[in-house]
Amino acid sequence: DAKTTQPPSMDCAEGRAANLPCNHSTISGNEYVYWYRQIHSQGPQYIIHGLKNNETNEMASLIITEDRKSSTLILPHATLRDTAVYYCIVRVKTSYDKVIFGPGTSLSVIP
Amino acid sequence: GAVVSQHPSWVICKSGTSVKIECRSLDFQATTMFWYRQFPKQSLMLMATSNEGSKATYEQGVEKDKFLINHASLTLSTLTVTSAHPEDSSFYICSANLAGGRTNEQFFGPGTRLTVL
Repeated sequence: DAKTTQPPSMDCAEGRAANLPCNHSTISGNEYVYWYRQIHSQGPQYIIHGLKNNETNEMASLIITEDRKSSTLILPHATLRDTAVYYCIVRVKTSYDKVIFGPGTSLSVIP
Repeated sequence: GAVVSQHPSWVICKSGTSVKIECRSLDFQATTMFWYRQFPKQSLMLMATSNEGSKATYEQGVEKDKFLINHASLTLSTLTVTSAHPEDSSFYICSANLAGGRTNEQFFGPGTRLTVL
């Protein structure tokens, strides 16, 4: 799996958009960008994934740069319940591919 | 969405005893399950890949004789921590790949908190 780099921590005001960056400059052509989050003392939760086009679902939006070397996860209206560690991962989309977690970004949503 | 459960959610045991943790995919079949360990304020560390009907594949540095993994069916994988010691105290998390799934999401269990006294 390609390596990713994320800021160790970020703060965001409640109700504002949270923009979490991720660099993956060595990503291969067949690797997808996945985002997970882990709320304290819980298992990780899948958020979104994409290959090269921007993606949006009920939880978040994913913006991937044209050269695919970086991406941004956007939580449009952050709430206190979004406080968690967010992990950006790149991996091949196969049935047996394991997920290797980096240190992630600890997002604190502040009232 | 697909649900993965773990049992027990927490366990306290004496040093030297063995502890079994179960991981179940409740509404889908999983040919592959993964086991992770997480120490406080650290990220998840992959321990092993569990394949239904075959031996598990362990990551470098993980003792296969200490962490026994069995994946006897498409919905159940178990992790047994043998002769547990205080340094084995950790948060153990399993995940499962949806067999034939379109998005190849991994679904994670809620975790099991192990405390060895």
